[in-house]
Amino acid sequence: DAGVIQSPRHEVTEMGQEVTLRCKPISGHNSLFWYRQTMMRGLELLIYFNNNVPIDDSGMPEDRFSAKMPNASFSTLKIQPSEPRDSAVYFCASSLGGFSNQPQHFGDGTRLSIL
Amino acid sequence: GESVGLHLPTLSVQEGDNSIINCAYSNSASDYFIWYKQESGKGPQFIIDIRSNMDKRQGQRVTVLLNKTVKHLSLQIAATQPGDSAVYFCAEVGNQFYFGTGTSLTVIP
Repeated sequence: DAGVIQSPRHEVTEMGQEVTLRCKPISGHNSLFWYRQTMMRGLELLIYFNNNVPIDDSGMPEDRFSAKMPNASFSTLKIQPSEPRDSAVYFCASSLGGFSNQPQHFGDGTRLSIL
Repeated sequence: GESVGLHLPTLSVQEGDNSIINCAYSNSASDYFIWYKQESGKGPQFIIDIRSNMDKRQGQRVTVLLNKTVKHLSLQIAATQPGDSAVYFCAEVGNQFYFGTGTSLTVIP
């Protein structure tokens, strides 16, 4: 079975540019999560969706970050404009039924470098 | 065990020995706990989970122990293999979801 699929795997861009990260969750999963991982702060939950509806976006750093889930099989995380401090690995995860009683399954991440 | 901050706890074990990775969780209301394994360049991979109505759960070569009295969780890996080298995270779930900072396990052949 296909796991969570993220693209691109690597992104290098100059500050000020718009960055769009993409995620395809596991088919049938109804919850989707976006995380950011850095050495300094570890894994941070940015936002999660349940049935395509954003439930908690309190982890989104600032207005430069936005996330959408137009349908059950696709989500995007957008940074505009990007800054060097946004450099990190961004993970998408999905689960069956929220986070409270089912494990999340992670993609292999997008390694983002903002120059 | 795990700690908050910049330093990633490390554990080195000989191949074939058993490994024990510890995690102290913070929220006494957390009722679901998950262990993940993260290899270099990959996302966290689910290993095993346990709910608060249990104190022990076993999988293939792995056992998770939960002590709610002292808010402590451990992951035991039997007959550790080189492929077990990775960073291991515990996650606690209550009304929110928290990842620990991880423990780096190195298996010495």
